[in-house]
Amino acid sequence: DAGVTQSPTHLIKTRGQQVTLRCSPKSGHDTVSWYQQALGQGPQFIFQYYEEEERQRGNFPDRFSGHQFPNYSSELNVNALLLGDSALYLCASSFLQGTNYGYTFGSGTRLTVV
Amino acid sequence: SQKIEQNSEALNIQEGKTATLTCNYTNYSPAYLQWYRQDPGRGPVFLLLIRENEKEKRKERLKVTFDTTLKQSLFHITASQPADSATYLCALLSGGYNKLIFGAGTRLAVHP
Repeated sequence: DAGVTQSPTHLIKTRGQQVTLRCSPKSGHDTVSWYQQALGQGPQFIFQYYEEEERQRGNFPDRFSGHQFPNYSSELNVNALLLGDSALYLCASSFLQGTNYGYTFGSGTRLTVV
Repeated sequence: SQKIEQNSEALNIQEGKTATLTCNYTNYSPAYLQWYRQDPGRGPVFLLLIRENEKEKRKERLKVTFDTTLKQSLFHITASQPADSATYLCALLSGGYNKLIFGAGTRLAVHP
């Protein structure tokens, strides 16, 4: 059973550019969340999607946007990239709110902004 | 604001001993607390979940306690093995159970 799949695994972008990261949730999961993890820190919540709508958002600027498709897959878009956006971006899926079985995370996309 | 603190220093222990990791939180009364394991360059892997009305939860060599009065959770790995070496993250479910708030994690190194 495939877990959460993220693409690409690594990405290098220039300041000011835009990037799109993709996530396919685990089979049977309907909720997708995105997290940003800086080196040596815990993951920080960006937003969560359920039924193709953004259900909750963390403390991130509007440059960060997302989308969920009917097949539950999701995209994270970041505009006007800053050097500080360099991080590991993690996608996590769950069935509903993950209160019983936790969240399943992908291996992440390592974004480097130069 | 809600804050989670884990030991920032790495924990070094000998194989076969019990590792105990601490998670303290403030400004929150979580209904759920979760522990994850993260290996370098990989995403976190869910280990255990404990609810506020549960004092203790076990899974094989893992044990988690949850003290809502002290606002603390302890994570134990008994009979530790070098393969247990990783970073362990504590996380609270917040925002109507829609988001996880993570601590910075504690790195565990188990030496043969």
